[in-house]
Amino acid sequence: KQEVTQIPAALSVPEGENLVLNCSFTDSAIYNLQWFRQDPGKGLTSLLLIQSSQREQTSGRLNASLDKSSGRSTLYIAASQPGDSATYLCAVSAGGSEKLVFGKGTKLTVNP
Amino acid sequence: DAGVIQSPRHEVTEMGQEVTLRCKPISGHNSLFWYRQTMMRGLELLIYFNNNVPIDDSGMPEDRFSAKMPNASFSTLKIQPSEPRDSAVYFCAVGSGARTSEQYFGPGTRLTVT
Repeated sequence: KQEVTQIPAALSVPEGENLVLNCSFTDSAIYNLQWFRQDPGKGLTSLLLIQSSQREQTSGRLNASLDKSSGRSTLYIAASQPGDSATYLCAVSAGGSEKLVFGKGTKLTVNP
Repeated sequence: DAGVIQSPRHEVTEMGQEVTLRCKPISGHNSLFWYRQTMMRGLELLIYFNNNVPIDDSGMPEDRFSAKMPNASFSTLKIQPSEPRDSAVYFCAVGSGARTSEQYFGPGTRLTVT
């Protein structure tokens, strides 16, 4: 059974700092890995999708990497801003199907 | 949220009542997913459909839960009878139908059962 773990559960940083969020998964037989952002009381916004054949994806100040063999992904946020404050969720496709298994998220606070 | 519409956005009901949550996906997405989010368990898949057919309902907690997708533009998740432990945020999401596809989420329905 696929399990996804995100460390740390919470992170507080000063504005302008570069930071890394971690995600690990137990079964390397995935099709893709997706990073989401969730603001309080809101739905999930897709940030980046990495296919299993890819090593990384970039969007603006965000860079996500994938090491399938070791079961790890990182989300790098450059020059963090208060507007980046949110919970970041990692999810992997599981069971040979489209369904996603989610980690419990990292709650990020960027202090001005 | 790629235009996924969920209703109602908030629902407060008493234990034992029937609750129906609704989802209107955007066209061109062949898969539809129902997830539940709680503080304790995080986000969990309840059921998903592909081309309106239920593919995997292994996450449906018990017989009190049922889901339907009568056509490509509408899905419902019903809880009958509801219990306080069903209180959670329920999300509908869509995908293209490919195993490598990105999923897009609706805004969710916050359900409170008293």
